[in-house]
Amino acid sequence: DTGVSQDPRHKITKRGQNVTFRCDPISEHNRLYWYRQTLGQGPEFLTYFQNEAQLEKSRLLSDRFSAERPKGSFSTLEIQRTEQGDSAMYLCASSLGLAVDTQYFGPGTRLTVL
Amino acid sequence: QKEVEQNSGPLSVPEGAIASLNCTYSDRVSQSFFWYRQYSGKSPELIMSIYSNGDKEDGRFTAQLNKASQYVSLLIRDSQPSDSATYLCAVNRGADGLTFGKGTHLIIQP
Repeated sequence: DTGVSQDPRHKITKRGQNVTFRCDPISEHNRLYWYRQTLGQGPEFLTYFQNEAQLEKSRLLSDRFSAERPKGSFSTLEIQRTEQGDSAMYLCASSLGLAVDTQYFGPGTRLTVL
Repeated sequence: QKEVEQNSGPLSVPEGAIASLNCTYSDRVSQSFFWYRQYSGKSPELIMSIYSNGDKEDGRFTAQLNKASQYVSLLIRDSQPSDSATYLCAVNRGADGLTFGKGTHLIIQP
């Protein structure tokens, strides 16, 4: 399978704990995006990388959230001191890096904060 | 503020009929327009992309774009029960993050 992969697929944690998610993009894609989706809503943009550079961050990305893409390949999204409101599906997408581009989504990581 | 509006539905269509899904957007600088299909509990799957005014056809799907009216639509011909899903409209300025609507829940009745 050469699509976007995410790990883990499901994560249950207790409030206050830290969690980290991983995303592996399609191999030739140099842009990588993170989104969050709650029930009944469309995905909401969080941040994106061009290679290893983080180029844009949404207002939704509070200080408890941090994303990295150290070698321009896989990316991690960490949430510190989780809150119940962080419960959502976290989606990763990647794209080639063209001026006008198409994003392809991974299967997502479903986070439940108890 | 960039916004994308969709009727949440549910939109119920008989099998074999044409399903028509609509979307409006507020950001006039938007360049790229997408339709994604999302089954319950799954991630969005790209159906169509459109960048220029007019129609774009791909199999049973036709996307329509009218930048003057800030309007995008998706037509699904010969609707099948497997088309039952939530359809998400998304826009961006080219390479930045997508702005999604809340999606339209489509039900194809056998």
